[in-house]
Amino acid sequence: DAGITQSPRHKVTETGTPVTLRCHQTENHRYMYWYRQDPGHGLRLIHYSYGVKDTDKGEVSDGYSVSRSKTEDFLLTLESATSSQTSVYFCAIRRSTSGGPTYNEQFFGPGTRLTVL
Amino acid sequence: KNEVEQSPQNLTAQEGEFITINCSYSVGISALHWLQQHPGGGIVSLFMLSSGKKKHGRLIATINIQEKHSSLHITASHPRDSAVYICAVPSSGSARQLTFGSGTQLTVLP
Repeated sequence: DAGITQSPRHKVTETGTPVTLRCHQTENHRYMYWYRQDPGHGLRLIHYSYGVKDTDKGEVSDGYSVSRSKTEDFLLTLESATSSQTSVYFCAIRRSTSGGPTYNEQFFGPGTRLTVL
Repeated sequence: KNEVEQSPQNLTAQEGEFITINCSYSVGISALHWLQQHPGGGIVSLFMLSSGKKKHGRLIATINIQEKHSSLHITASHPRDSAVYICAVPSSGSARQLTFGSGTQLTVLP
């Protein structure tokens, strides 16, 4: 358990409405990521953060923005939700593992299922 | 960008069978992830390895860095092993964002 929570866990919204998803971590990790998972496409990176106020785009960033004002929170915002953004959203953190070779391993939150009608 | 391919896409086995899932990637990497996702569930990290073999219980992961190939084996499979298994490779940049395979849906029948 890497101490990652996501909220809300489920959300149904209408096209054109703004939506914000929250990822919260308790272990003070520098790197955080937002992925979306869709049938036929698998998991794809939306945005990531490498520190407070430091973010960058991923593979499928159009229509999404992020913010990180505190180390523990990484917010994903859909400014005007569209049906194509119906998906399951996963947050992840990166931490170094120990007890052998050191890896920068990613650990995932429980996911948020978003439906845009 | 690294291309990650998994095979098979779907796999059905009888309880007790030995399972192998394969993952190939196109660009050299430092390490590779194996992840597990149960239906409707979250994503759990099973292994991260950079060489040789790792074992956790009935799960064994191997990697051949020169051939850009990894395998996940499950010995004495059980219905509770039914899940999607995903391999993922990190980018070479500092962000280390993951590129994922399409996943292998494993169903183990009692």
